[in-house]
Amino acid sequence: DAMVIQNPRYQVTQFGKPVTLSCSQTLNHNVMYWYQQKSSQAPKLLFHYYDKDFNNEADTPDNFQSRRPNTSFCFLDIRSPGLGDAAMYLCATSTRLGLQPQHFGDGTRLSIL
Amino acid sequence: DQQVKQNSPSLSVQEGRISILNCDYTNSMFDYFLWYKKYPAEGPTFLISISSIKDKNEDGRFTVFLNKSAKHLSLHIVPSQPGDSAVYFCAASGTNQGGSEKLVFGKGTKLTVNP
Repeated sequence: DAMVIQNPRYQVTQFGKPVTLSCSQTLNHNVMYWYQQKSSQAPKLLFHYYDKDFNNEADTPDNFQSRRPNTSFCFLDIRSPGLGDAAMYLCATSTRLGLQPQHFGDGTRLSIL
Repeated sequence: DQQVKQNSPSLSVQEGRISILNCDYTNSMFDYFLWYKKYPAEGPTFLISISSIKDKNEDGRFTVFLNKSAKHLSLHIVPSQPGDSAVYFCAASGTNQGGSEKLVFGKGTKLTVNP
């Protein structure tokens, strides 16, 4: 089945230690998104790629970076995680921007020690 | 500011009855609306959508109603089943949101369908 896969499902890192979350897709979608979701909150868009074009949300901290080396993979890098970065991180894809549903992975839950 | 609001954090209904989940939005530029369902430990799953040119869209047991003048949409599930127990997220997007056309989500409503 075509899908969006996130690895790992659970990630524990130390305060200030860089961490990378991974997302892959077999849908061959042009757009890939990263969301942050904290408990009882709405998913919050961090950034997205349309093909190789990177689009950062205005309020996404500089601590968060992303890479998309090819159509299938997208990475979320947190350079110096703080306690406030503990959250569920969701990757999603869509064929194009707007007027299309996004397809989500099952998320990576990040804990900071 | 919250552009998409789901004012009921939780809803409980009996199996076989109707579930009505509500969502309000503030941005008049939104023109596409979606509902997602989320089970614990899984990502959100797309359920149903509606564009602003329609006021109703139906898919099996699920119907979404859009009232543009009131900036309100609702999801009706008839009949409700225990397997429908999940968190339901309302989301909206607009073609003129600074070009990003991003989805803006509500905080979700946890639906419990009791057998």
